[in-house]
Amino acid sequence: QVQLQESGPGLVKSSQTLSLTCTVSGGSINSGAYYWSWIRQHPGKGLEWIGYIYYSGTTYYNAPLKSRVTISVDKSKNQFSLKLRSVTVADMAVYYCARLNTSWFDCWGQGTLVTVSS
Amino acid sequence: QSVLTQPPSASGTPGQRVTISCSGSSSTIGSNTVNWYQQLPGTAPKLLIYINNQRPSGVPDRFSGSKSGTSASLAISGLQSEDEADYYCATWDDNLNGWVFGGGTKLAVL
Repeated sequence: QVQLQESGPGLVKSSQTLSLTCTVSGGSINSGAYYWSWIRQHPGKGLEWIGYIYYSGTTYYNAPLKSRVTISVDKSKNQFSLKLRSVTVADMAVYYCARLNTSWFDCWGQGTLVTVSS
Repeated sequence: QSVLTQPPSASGTPGQRVTISCSGSSSTIGSNTVNWYQQLPGTAPKLLIYINNQRPSGVPDRFSGSKSGTSASLAISGLQSEDEADYYCATWDDNLNGWVFGGGTKLAVL
């Protein structure tokens, strides 16, 4: 049973870079069968897809965030990471990592709240 | 404003059947499959329905999905108190070239 776990600072200063890592256990990122994604949820709001990465390093980002986002993969550690630059209070949210299976997100991390201080 | 439109709330009594709608367009639901996620209070979303009407292993058959044209629906029969949660529809948007979610529907079991 694959499990995903987010980690990283829960507090980021405005204009700085948000950095989160997702550790995958119970399965290999190298399997090639899945895409590895980041999704966020603003407080009390709906879900917003940020982007995904394939084990080969191929990435795809949500257009509104594309200029500020980088998703990378570390196959040796079975992890993938999110960097979001120049954050503002509008980036304060719960960030989830999730596994994209063909066309559905079938496994999610528990989520981590990131607060942005001004 | 979400690309996919869901009613903000729904309710029912135990044992009842409830449906939640998800309205999209030709570039979203009209040309792609729909998935549904259940988010219990304080937890991460969980896949409930995929490819319009398929249930992952472990999801009770009380939950069913359907799609017609540019709309989709989630039906919950035999409503139980533990079904009280937020429900989200999702699909790919051919215009935005990205995954989009509905605004979510909060289901109350009265």
